[in-house]
Formats: sequence, C-alpha cells, structure tokens
Amino acid sequence: DAKTTQPPSMDCAEGRAANLPCNHSTISGNEYVYWYRQIHSQGPQYIIHGLKNNETNEMASLIITEDRKSSTLILPHATLRDTAVYYCIVRATNNNDMRFGAGTRLTVKP
Amino acid sequence: GAVVSQHPSWVICKSGTSVKIECRSLDFQATTMFWYRQFPKQSLMLMATSNEGSKATYEQGVEKDKFLINHASLTLSTLTVTSAHPEDSSFYICSARDAATGDSPLHFGNGTRLTVT
Repeated sequence: DAKTTQPPSMDCAEGRAANLPCNHSTISGNEYVYWYRQIHSQGPQYIIHGLKNNETNEMASLIITEDRKSSTLILPHATLRDTAVYYCIVRATNNNDMRFGAGTRLTVKP
Repeated sequence: GAVVSQHPSWVICKSGTSVKIECRSLDFQATTMFWYRQFPKQSLMLMATSNEGSKATYEQGVEKDKFLINHASLTLSTLTVTSAHPEDSSFYICSARDAATGDSPLHFGNGTRLTVT
C-alpha cells in the first residue's frame, strides 16, 4: 500500500523555486518524512528528512504541516541539474527498509 | 559523506550464466544492506534485506534461490543473479545505513545495469 501520494510530474523555470508536494495522511507518530531524488541512470540521492519541524540544509527545505499529513520539498533556486524524479518516503526509525512510490518527475526548463 | 560503492556499474551476460554484483560501504559499517531492482520507467522495488552474518530476508515474489545474497562482512554484500534470463535485465541498486548512527538516512550505490542476452 502506498504511504505517500505525489503528483506524477511538475515543471519549474530555471532560477525559480520548485515546490514539490507530498501527501502522507496515514503517517504514524514515529515515522519520518524522507526525500530522495534520482537522476537518470543513477542511484537515489538523499536530500533531507524530518519528523515534525521544518528542516533546511544546503540542498533544500522541508516544510511539514502541523498535522504531519503532508509536506513540501522546496528547492529555492532550481537549476537544470535539478531535473530528476523526486521521491517522498515515510519511514519509522525502527524500520530499516525504505520503500519507494512513483515519485514526481521534476523538469527544470530554461 | 557516507559512500556506497557498487561494482560493476554495468554488465552484459549470456542467458543461463550467473552474475555477481558487489555493494560496499566505503566509510562506514552497515549491519544491514538492501537490494532493489528498477525496470525502465518504474520506481525502485525492494528485493531483499541483507543482514550481516545471517540469512537475507526476501520480499514476496522474489526467488531466494535465483537471487543469492551474501553479507559476509560489515562493509560488503553481494547479489548473485543465478541462471540469468533476459527478463532479469534491469537496474540493480543497493543501499546501506550507517550502523553507528541511530536515525540516519539510507545511502545508495549508483546501481548496476544488467543486460542478459
């Protein structure tokens, strides 16, 4: 059963912020929200994760709603190299594995 | 940062032969590693969980006798595709988590593209 729902595709203009939504309405209290991306023919790359507070690192920001039922990954200034499939995954700390949904294919256009 | 290395990055083999893929954690120890398979235009599908010093746990529908997994050390897991057939052609990806840190993300290798002719 899919734990997350993401739009299949999105476009973004180069230099603009890319906001990628993710719904996880059945998330449990001990489950984190993780974001990865996969550029064509490469392994997934870790971006960011969070539990309930908003998080920011050098790659992106993660905004989690107060009820934790949805989140948004923000790439503040998208570049052409950010074109990839972005995966939102929920995972409990006591679970080792990570299961991928269909993700969102983000295309950054010049 | 943590690095997971896979080898080879691509391999072509004849139908009926076996292929071994290695997954190494380069700067951390991993008691558990994971193997995924990805067909074109599809997402990653978890195949099995590889546990150091014990038997792997396979997902439903994955044949354990066909996809042999060995996790002999804290930094190496291998996946052997036995008696490969063209339908086994796929992108195989491994991942690992640093055993020393509690809540840490999985780190992924760059994948192995297997083509069976």
